[in-house]
Amino acid sequence: QKEVEQNSGPLSVPEGAIASLNCTYSDRGSQSFFWYRQYSGKSPELIMFIYSNGDKEDGRFTAQLNKASQYVSLLIRDSQPSDSATYLCAVKEWMDSSYKLIFGSGTRLLVRP
Amino acid sequence: DTEVTQTPKHLVMGMTNKKSLKCEQHMGHRAMYWYKQKAKKPPELMFVYSYEKLSINESVPSRFSPECPNSSLLNLHLHALQPEDSALYLCASSQDDFSSYEQYFGPGTRLTVT
Repeated sequence: QKEVEQNSGPLSVPEGAIASLNCTYSDRGSQSFFWYRQYSGKSPELIMFIYSNGDKEDGRFTAQLNKASQYVSLLIRDSQPSDSATYLCAVKEWMDSSYKLIFGSGTRLLVRP
Repeated sequence: DTEVTQTPKHLVMGMTNKKSLKCEQHMGHRAMYWYKQKAKKPPELMFVYSYEKLSINESVPSRFSPECPNSSLLNLHLHALQPEDSALYLCASSQDDFSSYEQYFGPGTRLTVT
């Protein structure tokens, strides 16, 4: 069974701090990794994807991938109250003769003003 | 533009009703997906269409019937649903279902079965 694991949180950080969200995955052969942000009652929004080892930066967001240790993380710099949401990690997996996105259960982030 | 639209936003239906959910994208994507999401859970894959052909059915009950009339449209026909089918139904699309897998979600339809 291919699994993606996240700490459910909530992760509470003060405004302006760096929020660090972590995700581990079970399949060593996984190649593609995605971070979605989901506000309460809304749909998931793709905010980052990463395919290569190392860091990928986009504005205040940095995705970090370490395939040897099988983890992917999302850093949010200068956290704002508007960043308060659930962050879903997803991994593209080959299962049952097809590619599928396997989601973690999500980490809830609270940014305190 | 990464917009996927879904209608209706909210739907309340009885267990004997027949209704349809609609999804549309104009990004030229050739893969489209239906997911179901319950509160505080991640999305669960239901169906995948690739190049207008059904490629994945995750053993979804037959009371859910997907349809892909063309490459931009995806429907989900609902019939004789149960109260436990109440959930947020999400449509997503991606450029294809193998090499490029960034999936973009629509706003969802909040379904309540009474």
